[in-house]
Amino acid sequence: NAGVTQTPKFRILKIGQSMTLQCTQDMNHNYMYWYRQDPGMGLKLIYYSVGAGITDKGEVPNGYNVSRSTTEDFPLRLELAAPSQTSVYFCASSYSTGSYNEQFFGPGTRLTVL
Amino acid sequence: DQQVKQNSPSLSVQEGRISILNCDYTNSMFDYFLWYKKYPAEGPTFLISISSIKDKNEDGRFTVFLNKSAKHLSLHIVPSQPGDSAVYFCAVITNAGGTSYGKLTFGQGTILTVHP
Repeated sequence: NAGVTQTPKFRILKIGQSMTLQCTQDMNHNYMYWYRQDPGMGLKLIYYSVGAGITDKGEVPNGYNVSRSTTEDFPLRLELAAPSQTSVYFCASSYSTGSYNEQFFGPGTRLTVL
Repeated sequence: DQQVKQNSPSLSVQEGRISILNCDYTNSMFDYFLWYKKYPAEGPTFLISISSIKDKNEDGRFTVFLNKSAKHLSLHIVPSQPGDSAVYFCAVITNAGGTSYGKLTFGQGTILTVHP
């Protein structure tokens, strides 16, 4: 299993540009998450999904959109990039069996908005 | 309003000695506590967890202690090894397995450096 994969690894955007961060997992997990990590800070939840077609906002959703058309993929969309979105973005997935289950993280996408 | 705080940004320890990483939380409704480890240019990886109904959980060199009255969580690594050098995040969850849908709230992280 490849686990959770993210593309691209790095990206530089200009203010106002848009892009999609890709996330794919091959573990057949139903739960998926997007987090961002700013320097010196912990990870903050942007959006999450509990299954195909079901998404909901996390702690810091403004400026982002998500979709979940398949179990495997959970892309994160930035429509109008702003310098405040400069961060490292992590995608994660887990399965649910009625108790807590470990989240598996991808390697991250480092995004700079200039 | 930070619900989970790691007040030590960094910790330096000699190989073979004990590393103690600390975490404080504010919400007594949290019912699951976790530690994640992160190397540079990689995503966090799960290390160890503890349910709120316990006060200690051990896994090899790693032990997590939970003091609910003090709202304090700690991770002990004994003996510390140079390969343990990484950023350690504590994380909490409310209603694990229920309507929280596994959402984690993270502390800011502590950089652990273990010197040979």
